[in-house]
Amino acid sequence: DTAVSQTPKYLVTQMGNDKSIKCEQNLGHDTMYWYKQDSKKFLKIMFSYNNKELIINETVPNRFSPKSPDKAHLNLHINSLELGDSAVYFCASSQNRDEQFFGPGTRLTVL
Amino acid sequence: KNQVEQSPQSLIILEGKNCTLQCNYTVSPFSNLRWYKQDTGRGPVSLTIMTFSENTKSNGRYTATLDADTKQSSLHITASQLSDSASYICVAPNRDAGNKLTFGGGTRVLVKP
Repeated sequence: DTAVSQTPKYLVTQMGNDKSIKCEQNLGHDTMYWYKQDSKKFLKIMFSYNNKELIINETVPNRFSPKSPDKAHLNLHINSLELGDSAVYFCASSQNRDEQFFGPGTRLTVL
Repeated sequence: KNQVEQSPQSLIILEGKNCTLQCNYTVSPFSNLRWYKQDTGRGPVSLTIMTFSENTKSNGRYTATLDADTKQSSLHITASQLSDSASYICVAPNRDAGNKLTFGGGTRVLVKP
């Protein structure tokens, strides 16, 4: 199936831990994104990579570090997790600035 | 400030009925206006993308309208089905910011039998 996939779908962890979320797209797109959807359901861009280069870096804590080993993958590593990091994180991809295709989301719960 | 505001926040309709969702945006300069459908527990899926020159666009039972002068858009759902229960999100890219998307808060639609 051609799609954007994320793992894991659910992530429950203790405050202070470090965790990673993986994203892969097989659509051949050159741009990938990470979004955070909070409890009020607003989606906010966190990062965007184009051909493995960072092009959008919103004001997020530096505990969040994206890594793009190749243009089909964009992983998100989070250090020293805090309660406020609990949210659903969506990966997306697009060809240039065209329509974005979203992954299924990763629900992160920090206890 | 670039903003996208949607109304109502939520609505309940009976299966088979029509409904209209509203979106006001202040994103400038305008690039295009997008509507996404987000089912519970899933990622958003694009329904329509409208450019400045388009004032109406349909995707099956979904019809979006755009008034670029008043910066308003609407999404009309015809003959609603249970599977239409979802959040509908209005989105506007900011052309000056690398087409970064500004999302509305969504309208949660519940279709009841």
